[in-house]
Amino acid sequence: NAGVTQTPKFRVLKTGQSMTLLCAQDMNHEYMYWYRQDPGMGLRLIHYSVGEGTTAKGEVPDGYNVSRLKKQNFLLGLESAAPSQTSVYFCASSYTSGSSYEQYFGPGTRLTVT
Amino acid sequence: DQQVKQNSPSLSVQEGRISILNCDYTNSMFDYFLWYKKYPAEGPTFLISISSIKDKNEDGRFTVFLNKSAKHLSLHIVPSQPGDSAVYFCAASAISNDMRFGAGTRLTVKP
Repeated sequence: NAGVTQTPKFRVLKTGQSMTLLCAQDMNHEYMYWYRQDPGMGLRLIHYSVGEGTTAKGEVPDGYNVSRLKKQNFLLGLESAAPSQTSVYFCASSYTSGSSYEQYFGPGTRLTVT
Repeated sequence: DQQVKQNSPSLSVQEGRISILNCDYTNSMFDYFLWYKKYPAEGPTFLISISSIKDKNEDGRFTVFLNKSAKHLSLHIVPSQPGDSAVYFCAASAISNDMRFGAGTRLTVKP
């Protein structure tokens, strides 16, 4: 049981390049999330999904797109990377959004945009 | 706007003593509060939570207190151990999928 995994762990992009971050979970969770963590800012929700085929915007969605074609995978895309997107990205999943609200996080992807 | 605030970026305590981490929030609609712990190069892991209908929740060495009138919650760790050294994030949610995190407090427990 690997939990939540993220690919890649590190990436360096040039401004304007595109990339996709992959998140996979093997816990059969319905809900999946993408966050970014910046110094002094905590974690901020980018996009989330409440089930296969559905996505929704979070607190800071601009410049990102997501897709949830399979229940176990949640992809985060950057179409044209900008230095402001330099951050650590965390994926998370949860069984439900009810009172038992624990989210399980992946190890993170450190992205640098030059 | 930062709806969840952890005003102490760092805290240092002696092993065996109590650690108290504080968190303030501004949104009165928050109804569920959580604490996550994060080690370097790892993702956050869930530690303890509390519903807004309670004022205290205890799990072993960890206790979370909620003061709704003051919009304040705190995490108590007793006794503190060196393995507790990590960054602690406070989080709160108002609707199911919109969780807000504080900036974190780095706890160092000295042997």
